[in-house]
Amino acid sequence: DAGVTQSPTHLIKTRGQHVTLRCSPISGHKSVSWYQQVLGQGPQFIFQYYEKEERGRGNFPDRFSARQFPNYSSELNVNALLLGDSALYLCASSLPGADTQYFGPGTRLTVL
Amino acid sequence: KNQVEQSPQSLIILEGKNCTLQCNYTVSPFSNLRWYKQDTGRGPVSLTIMTFSENTKSNGRYTATLDADTKQSSLHITASQLSDSASYICVVSGVGGSQGNLIFGKGTKLSVKP
Repeated sequence: DAGVTQSPTHLIKTRGQHVTLRCSPISGHKSVSWYQQVLGQGPQFIFQYYEKEERGRGNFPDRFSARQFPNYSSELNVNALLLGDSALYLCASSLPGADTQYFGPGTRLTVL
Repeated sequence: KNQVEQSPQSLIILEGKNCTLQCNYTVSPFSNLRWYKQDTGRGPVSLTIMTFSENTKSNGRYTATLDADTKQSSLHITASQLSDSASYICVVSGVGGSQGNLIFGKGTKLSVKP
């Protein structure tokens, strides 16, 4: 079975632009979470979606938004990019009520 | 404030040696504690999950311990291999179903040298 997949793997944008990152969870997983990991730091929680509804939101500005589709895949959108948005963006999926999250390989975003 | 502190920040050991990584937390109420291994540029991979009632859990050469009274955990790696070179992240979960209750440590970067 395929694990969590994310696209693109790498992305370079300039300040002020917007970006859309995509995530496909493991088959059967209905919960998807997004994390931002700045170099040298642990992941920071951004959003959790379950059954297409937002179930949790971290301390990130409104420039960050997300959604989940009927097939449980998810998109993370970031508007008006700042240099500080440069990071590895991780997506994780899990079964309902399960403690174990399975992470994707991440999307490396560089903002110039 | 809920926090997870890991030590050391980085560690270099020779192949075949053992090492122990530390994690102290202040998360309350506490649900479970996880250790993840993260290779450079990759997503974290779960090694162990322990609830407050578990003192130790093993996964091959990895053994995690938990002292819920002192709020400390350790990850012991036995007979290290070059492939163990990675960041090891301690994650503590507060009570509640949202993944937003997960508090991540900054990780310990382990380098195993031949």
